[in-house]
Amino acid sequence: NAGVTQTPKFRVLKTGQSMTLLCAQDMNHEYMYWYRQDPGMGLRLIHYSVGEGTTAKGEVPDGYNVSRLKKQNFLLGLESAAPSQTSVYFCASSYGGSYNSPLHFGNGTRLTVT
Amino acid sequence: AQKVTQAQTEISVVEKEDVTLDCVYETRDTTYYLFWYKQPPSGELVFLIRRNSFDEQNEISGRYSWNFQKSTSSFNFTITASQVVDSAVYFCAHLGPGTYKYIFGTGTRLKVLA
Repeated sequence: NAGVTQTPKFRVLKTGQSMTLLCAQDMNHEYMYWYRQDPGMGLRLIHYSVGEGTTAKGEVPDGYNVSRLKKQNFLLGLESAAPSQTSVYFCASSYGGSYNSPLHFGNGTRLTVT
Repeated sequence: AQKVTQAQTEISVVEKEDVTLDCVYETRDTTYYLFWYKQPPSGELVFLIRRNSFDEQNEISGRYSWNFQKSTSSFNFTITASQVVDSAVYFCAHLGPGTYKYIFGTGTRLKVLA
């Protein structure tokens, strides 16, 4: 069982470059999330999706876009990277229809923007 | 708004000591869910436990135990006879009803010294 898979694991970008992070889950989960983790800040929600074709903003959405064209995939895009977006990014998913479902996380993507 | 506070930024203990990680939450919800996650040095986030607000029973799982007290809005995590492998960052999280947004604390870094 792969669970939640994120690609790439590491990436270095120059300011102004763009990139897309891919998240794939094989658990047939309805809900998917993108978080960023910064020292002393915990996990902050960027965007989330409650089903195929739907997305919504989280706590820190500025500078990011997302798409959920297929149920199993959730893409996070950075159109013009900035040094403030240097962070570790985690994708997560959970079951639908239950509000107490724990999150299943990917292994993270470490992004550095120079 | 919901909030989760983990006031202990970092704790160091010597192996075999007991250690308690504090989690205090703020919520206006009468029904809610609380979680603990572990992030070992390898970086992945691992689900440990889920607790519903209407179930105040303490839970024990091996060397781990959780004390949920609604009167003090706390959901503390105790590791008995700590081991080096317990060294990790531990996150507490809250989930309210009708929302898909998990609110995370800033985490507590636990160092268990041999």
